[in-house]
Amino acid sequence: QVQLQESGPGLVKPSETLSLTCAVSGVSISSYYWSWIRQPPGKRMEWIGYIYYTENTNYNPSLKSRVTISVDTSKNHFSLRLSSVTAADTAVYYCARSRSTVFDSWGQGTLVTVSS
Amino acid sequence: DIQMTQSPSTLSASVGDRVIITCRASQSISGWLAWYQQKPGQAPNLLIYRASNLESGVPSRFSGSGSGTEFTLTISSLQPDDFATYYCQQYNSDWLTFGGGTKVEMK
Repeated sequence: QVQLQESGPGLVKPSETLSLTCAVSGVSISSYYWSWIRQPPGKRMEWIGYIYYTENTNYNPSLKSRVTISVDTSKNHFSLRLSSVTAADTAVYYCARSRSTVFDSWGQGTLVTVSS
Repeated sequence: DIQMTQSPSTLSASVGDRVIITCRASQSISGWLAWYQQKPGQAPNLLIYRASNLESGVPSRFSGSGSGTEFTLTISSLQPDDFATYYCQQYNSDWLTFGGGTKVEMK
């Protein structure tokens, strides 16, 4: 059974870079696409982007200039970097497995707060 | 981007009720629509994909229908475990987008 677990700082200062990692277990990361999704408090979910193990990526155009998603097949994990963060980036961040761009397995989510 | 609009935003219902949630897309998405259930403090759970295909392990009281711009999620007989928020998601375009959610609460 596939399991995903997000990790990273829960507090990031404005203008700095948010970095999260998603550890995947139960399946090789060299299958499927892998996504990041976020949910700001009280708002709808927002897809951030996805990556394939070949490092092929697709990003949300509204975030593309600030987002980098990478994959490490040797560690079976993938990562998110979001630069120049502001309070608007405060959200619960989820990693998820993408099956034909439908999200069929999710991590538990991690709250990242942007504040000085 | 394709805008997804759900209605109602909140729905009050009782156990045993038939519940229908609607999702409308700002342009045709063919049948490229998924539905998720989310409970407080938990990650979303995939219920339906390709508008009407039930995900493995999901109870058969859940069903989806629609194509083009209008879609529905139906719960045939609401169970206590079904009080949650439901989201639609389109995957017709490379820019994946979600609806605003429908909270199903106890009447």
